[in-house]
Amino acid sequence: QSALTQPASVSGSPGQSIIISCTGTSSDVGTYSLVSWYQQRPATAPTLLIYEDTKRPSGLSTRFSGSKSGDTASLTISGLQAEDEADYYCCLYTFSSTWVFGGGTRLTVL
Amino acid sequence: VQLVQSGAEVKKPGESLKISCQGSGYTFTLYWIVWARQRPGKGLEWMGVIYPGDADTRYNPSFQGQVTMSVDNSIATAYLEWNNLKASDTAMYFCARREDGYTFVDFWGQGTFVTVSP
Repeated sequence: QSALTQPASVSGSPGQSIIISCTGTSSDVGTYSLVSWYQQRPATAPTLLIYEDTKRPSGLSTRFSGSKSGDTASLTISGLQAEDEADYYCCLYTFSSTWVFGGGTRLTVL
Repeated sequence: VQLVQSGAEVKKPGESLKISCQGSGYTFTLYWIVWARQRPGKGLEWMGVIYPGDADTRYNPSFQGQVTMSVDNSIATAYLEWNNLKASDTAMYFCARREDGYTFVDFWGQGTFVTVSP
């Protein structure tokens, strides 16, 4: 199975922007628009932030955006707020209705 | 849209268990149900997926033979079942849905915590 690599933790101050990376390989992340991002606040279920690399679900704050360069997908959170403190996971669809999650990134708002 | 999961469970090693995930507010048979595990303090792991439309089932090789997924379309409910629980199965289990033809999960259940302890 593919493996996705995320940093274990990132931090930022309120109002700042942060970027969380998700690195795969040229045969998956680098070729297909199949990365989604999820936010998981403590003791809650994950929620969808970004799908197909860059698309945002209807109604989601525009402070969240997705991008991709080569084998690395990224989630950017701008105008950081205290409520953004959570774990963030990237997820790759690998066809045949299978997925793999990144290891998750803990965001701390200082 | 709602995915309502069954309540927390406490079991002993070797016991059997079946947890549920009931969908409402959408056409149950048009969305795959994904199951994911999250051990305490750890990340999400994809376990497998089942399509209620035809019971097509795909397992993560790491979970193949360890769990069984099933559905009952008459009550819009998906199930995840164990026949021989281990202490290492202690975790939160989430169900989620994925619309057929799409590549992402768009809605998650609230989770069911399973504790396996002697």
